Amino acid sequence: KAGVTQTPRYLIKTRGQQVTLSCSPISGHRSVSWYQQTPGQGLQFLFEYFSETQRNKGNFPGRFSGRQFSNSRSEMNVSTLELGDSALYLCASSSRLAGPYNEQFFGPGTRLTVL
Amino acid sequence: DQQVKQNSPSLSVQEGRISILNCDYTNSMFDYFLWYKKYPAEGPTFLISISSIKDKNEDGRFTVFLNKSAKHLSLHIVPSQPGDSAVYFCAASGNQFYFGTGTSLTVIP
Repeated sequence: KAGVTQTPRYLIKTRGQQVTLSCSPISGHRSVSWYQQTPGQGLQFLFEYFSETQRNKGNFPGRFSGRQFSNSRSEMNVSTLELGDSALYLCASSSRLAGPYNEQFFGPGTRLTVL
Repeated sequence: DQQVKQNSPSLSVQEGRISILNCDYTNSMFDYFLWYKKYPAEGPTFLISISSIKDKNEDGRFTVFLNKSAKHLSLHIVPSQPGDSAVYFCAASGNQFYFGTGTSLTVIP
């Protein structure tokens, strides 16, 4: 089974621009979650999508948004980029239908640098 | 508000000895806990988990202990090997996954 893939792996943008990151989950997985990882903050939950619906949302401003397509692929978008948005963005997929008990499988991440 | 905390950013251990990584949480409603391991330039990979109805789960060299009254869990690695050098994240499951800030483990040959 192919793992979770994320594109692009690296991205450099300037303040004020917007960016779209893509995630393809493991085949058959319908849940996709996004996390932001910064030094000292660990993994901060952004949102989770299941069957094209946002099921949970973390404590991030509205500049961060996402969507999920019918094939379970997901995109996240960050508008009006700020220097503090520089981070590793991780996508994780899971087979969970209900409840949080299934482990998540992570992609390698997209390293975003905002200049 | 960090609901899952790993207070030790780093840990160094001699090869063959025991590594103990600690994690504290604040929400007593968490009912499932996981440990992930992360190498540089890779995403975290699942290591071991424990349900809140248990106090210990073992998988080979890895054992997770849960102390619900203290809201504390720990990961024991015995014996530690150089390949175990990585960042370890604990996570708790509620309506979403809450992750700690990670502990960087270095196993010295």
